[in-house]
Amino acid sequence: GAGVSQTPSNKVTEKGKYVELRCDPISGHTALYWYRQSLGQGPEFLIYFQGTGAADDSGLPNDRFFAVRPEGSVSTLKIQRTERGDSAVYLCASSLQAGLGYGYTFGSGTRLTVV
Amino acid sequence: KQEVTQIPAALSVPEGENLVLNCSFTDSAIYNLQWFRQDPGKGLTSLLLIQSSQREQTSGRLNASLDKSSGRSTLYIAASQPGDSATYLCATVGDNDMRFGAGTRLTVKP
Repeated sequence: GAGVSQTPSNKVTEKGKYVELRCDPISGHTALYWYRQSLGQGPEFLIYFQGTGAADDSGLPNDRFFAVRPEGSVSTLKIQRTERGDSAVYLCASSLQAGLGYGYTFGSGTRLTVV
Repeated sequence: KQEVTQIPAALSVPEGENLVLNCSFTDSAIYNLQWFRQDPGKGLTSLLLIQSSQREQTSGRLNASLDKSSGRSTLYIAASQPGDSATYLCATVGDNDMRFGAGTRLTVKP
């Protein structure tokens, strides 16, 4: 696609529920990144994929968070047993290739609100 | 771990002023530095990308400089307009990740 697409744009869920956030990267971009942005803060790294594998998941806050990219294109960020503290904007970015300093293109984000 | 700091946190200027936004980082081993704009409730729009071998990049009224040795980058906005009001984020791109500052929230008053 022409840009990075994220769905849904907004998600409101009840505490304790399971949610899935989807990211569709730019066609041909092999690297995909997930970030989380809290109000008034810069985005914080969660996980990145090079191809199908999670190359670095050190930013995931705990084991309730998990992400997959089974075919090396679309990625899904999954959050189990959501908590109010999970409320944030979840941003996805893609890059031609990880490393080597390629620029990132970001999607518009998914605003998650846990009530 | 890379730490990125942006000063000031917020800035309000009258229309037409030239202004400078500052970004500093602790680890100079970066591939490039990227400046983004973020409008309220929106994603990130890339403004300028400066590769580590470059000193500056220009796009229209925007000019970004990079001094790796001192761990600093600046974004210069000429002849500011109300439409420039947004949050400006700088980010360093390392080997496999991007680290962001908290941003500078800019308001340009008509």
